[in-house]
Amino acid sequence: DTEVTQTPKHLVMGMTNKKSLKCEQHMGHRAMYWYKQKAKKPPELMFVYSYEKLSINESVPSRFSPECPNSSLLNLHLHALQPEDSALYLCASSRGGRGGTDTQYFGPGTRLTVL
Amino acid sequence: AQTVTQSQPEMSVQEAETVTLSCTYDTSESDYYLFWYKQPPSRQMILVIRQEAYKQQNATENRFSVNFQKAAKSFSLKISDSQLGDAAMYFCAYRSALAGTASKLTFGTGTRLQVTL
Repeated sequence: DTEVTQTPKHLVMGMTNKKSLKCEQHMGHRAMYWYKQKAKKPPELMFVYSYEKLSINESVPSRFSPECPNSSLLNLHLHALQPEDSALYLCASSRGGRGGTDTQYFGPGTRLTVL
Repeated sequence: AQTVTQSQPEMSVQEAETVTLSCTYDTSESDYYLFWYKQPPSRQMILVIRQEAYKQQNATENRFSVNFQKAAKSFSLKISDSQLGDAAMYFCAYRSALAGTASKLTFGTGTRLQVTL
């Protein structure tokens, strides 16, 4: 089973709203990732959690706040977003390790629109 | 820093034919991993195939195979017997083997593949 789930599938929010994106995996993976993808572009890494600790933060604005409550769940809290933050947000997970088995498996994404 | 280049923004192939997507990369490392991901209109990134740099044998997954040329830093994807469901954006990606327990993927800019009847 290589399933990563993300909710919601679509989200429309105003610039003053607070919302959260959720990601879940039950593959026993210990690394989880958030990516942002603009149309016709490759995904851009935002955050990486390894063993529930933030291990990579790609200098993302503070209006994006990640949270990893446990090894299966990853949230992305959104506050005071800008219209340019509209994008597809992808979650991924991997076993967590140096080898080729540390392959990342992606969820279906959340399409975010900021008005 | 590593870079990944996909020089073909768009490709087209007829159903049942074979197509090859190109990918080159630049790295000073000797140990790394390479991946091809597919992103159909449904948006989900799906792993197609992966290659360990220390392996000389080219990876194969059913109709998908790679031509890995380590000295030339080339990693092309061949799709045989193309099907309508193969239509998607294809991303080539690099991951260092020197990375820690969770590692960053470096993606190319993607190649959009169209499959025609």
